[in-house]
Amino acid sequence: RKEVEQDPGPFNVPEGATVAFNCTYSNSASQSFFWYRQDCRKEPKLLMSVYSSGNEDGRFTAQLNRASQYISLLIRDSKLSDSATYLCVAGPGRRRGSTLGRLYFGRGTQLTVWP
Amino acid sequence: GAVVSQHPSRVICKSGTSVKIECRSLDFQATTMFWYRQFPKKSLMLMATSNEGSKATYEQGVEKDKFLINHASLTLSTLTVTSAHPEDSSFYICSARVLALQETQYFGPGTRLLVL
Repeated sequence: RKEVEQDPGPFNVPEGATVAFNCTYSNSASQSFFWYRQDCRKEPKLLMSVYSSGNEDGRFTAQLNRASQYISLLIRDSKLSDSATYLCVAGPGRRRGSTLGRLYFGRGTQLTVWP
Repeated sequence: GAVVSQHPSRVICKSGTSVKIECRSLDFQATTMFWYRQFPKKSLMLMATSNEGSKATYEQGVEKDKFLINHASLTLSTLTVTSAHPEDSSFYICSARVLALQETQYFGPGTRLLVL
């Protein structure tokens, strides 16, 4: 079973739409969670961390449900520039033998925003 | 955010040769750096964790004698792909963990390797 599972998409939405991505993680001891964005043929860039209480950064809202081991990202008022692959990421938390700082990446969800 | 550089950005080499990729943290000290590989339309795969002053920790299935990692200083880690083979052609990305920011990692721009 993969550490982080997410729907690869693709999601194709018009400008201005609201789109939501979900992912699940398998390690209940994971303590840190992130969403990264990766443009085609580029490196991943940190979009936002995900906190237990949920957090918002402009048009982006991230939520964490520890009971369901579920993370979400909501993008409101989609822009053309939001087209990218969004990577759901979980840290190892307190697990015997885990490498400090090791992150587990989902395979990414591809988003295309069309005009 | 923290800045990580990688060099070269792309390299083409012949089978059997070795290629060295450098990863530098430009404005912070990174005790831990990570090396990833990404094939087209696939997810990032961690190859190894590089700790300054000690041996790298390799993920299962990654040959340590083929992918040599050196982390001699707090700002530089190198990955050498030895005796490169066409199947080693991939996008190699390093990342560094900023000491004070726990598990947040910042990525270098990546190196595209093509082995002919």
